[in-house]
Amino acid sequence: EIVLTQSPATLSLSPGERATLSCRASQSVSSYLAWYQQKPGQAPRLLIYDASNRATGIPARFSGSGSGTDFTLTISSLEPEDFAVYYCQQRSNWPLFGPGTKVDIK
Amino acid sequence: QITLKESGPTLVKPTQTLTLTCTFSGFSLSTSGVGVGWIRQPPGKALEWLALIYWDDDKRYSPSLKSRLTITKDTSKNQVVLTMTNMDPVDTATYYCAHRGIAAAGYFDYWGQGTLVTVSS
Repeated sequence: EIVLTQSPATLSLSPGERATLSCRASQSVSSYLAWYQQKPGQAPRLLIYDASNRATGIPARFSGSGSGTDFTLTISSLEPEDFAVYYCQQRSNWPLFGPGTKVDIK
Repeated sequence: QITLKESGPTLVKPTQTLTLTCTFSGFSLSTSGVGVGWIRQPPGKALEWLALIYWDDDKRYSPSLKSRLTITKDTSKNQVVLTMTNMDPVDTATYYCAHRGIAAAGYFDYWGQGTLVTVSS
């Protein structure tokens, strides 16, 4: 059974800073990995799919990379609306979400 | 414009069966490649995928909850129904339904607003 781990659990940064979030799979998921953003009281929003493809309407400051077991979500310059929880999800066998990384304001 | 909305009871008693309905618009569940999934989120915790039904009526379930779940679709009504048996307080969560899209390579690209279900006697 595949397990996803995300690090760090919390990332404290200031607006304008670069955010780097990690998702690691216990075995290869090829490029079958997505990233979602969730704000309090809202449903998740798909940001990145198949490791590096931005979903419709997602700003270019969001980028994804990686394959196999190690993946990264990068937010090049944090905007105030980017402070949220971010989840990775693999679909290699069945959908599975990671535990999340909270990006909060320093 | 794709929209989804969950409906069902907000409070269920332990051991009861939960039935949730996802009513959607803007797509057809008879279109090849399309699916609708259910995902839940206990208060303050992470997302957990529950079940997924495809356009061809193929169904997939979370291995840990498979014995308790049933997912069905009514294409003519644009609805997907999830039942979960033997509810327990640990099943208290916000339950989401979501569109599994073709354009987004099979990930959940549209979500409902979610419905909070509390399990308590």
